Amino acid sequence: EIVLTQSPGTLSLSPGERATLSCRASQSVSSSYLAWYQHKPGQGPRLLIYGASSRATGIPDRFGGGGSGTDFTLTISRLEPEDFAVYYCQQFGSSSYTFGQGTKLEIK
Amino acid sequence: EVQLLESGGDLVQPGGSLRLSCAASGFTFSSYAMSWVRQAPGKGLEWVSAISGNGGTTYYADSVRGRITISRDNSRNTLYVQMNNVRAEDTAVYYCAKIPRWGYGMDVWGQGTTVTVSS
Repeated sequence: EIVLTQSPGTLSLSPGERATLSCRASQSVSSSYLAWYQHKPGQGPRLLIYGASSRATGIPDRFGGGGSGTDFTLTISRLEPEDFAVYYCQQFGSSSYTFGQGTKLEIK
Repeated sequence: EVQLLESGGDLVQPGGSLRLSCAASGFTFSSYAMSWVRQAPGKGLEWVSAISGNGGTTYYADSVRGRITISRDNSRNTLYVQMNNVRAEDTAVYYCAKIPRWGYGMDVWGQGTTVTVSS
């Protein structure tokens, strides 16, 4: 099973700043099968990025994804107040999905 | 509007059984694979199971294989998960999600239904 490790565990930033979140896989992941989600309390998760770098429908262009192989990143170029949440990466491989443990993005 | 609505969450005793449902609307249900994902209290997201559009292919996480069965009724636009021999570690909010294409993320999610396993 591929293990996804996200860092940092918590990221404290201010609105307007740039956020960079990391997702490292225990073995190579197909870029096509790497996704990122935003999750807020009391809501279902929201798909942000699929295929490592493609924005999902309705996602603002301040969200960007990149990377390949075992190292992937989610970048939020200028934080808005509504962006403070928990973010998860997810991969699909060997007939199963796995999630990273999450990065909490909090207001500094 | 594309929507998923979970139901069936409850308090259940260890060793008991429970069936969760997910009613879909706003899209051609039978055309899409579907999945269950859960979140235990204070923990992150954990993938549980997935099923193809026609129900012919199913996948399970190792942590639930043999105790959970995913199924769907395309005539009722409804996804199910049957949980047997539940354990305390099955306590979680259970979400259903739509898979637009295998591996390309999950693009629609419900609000979740809560399962509590306790005596």
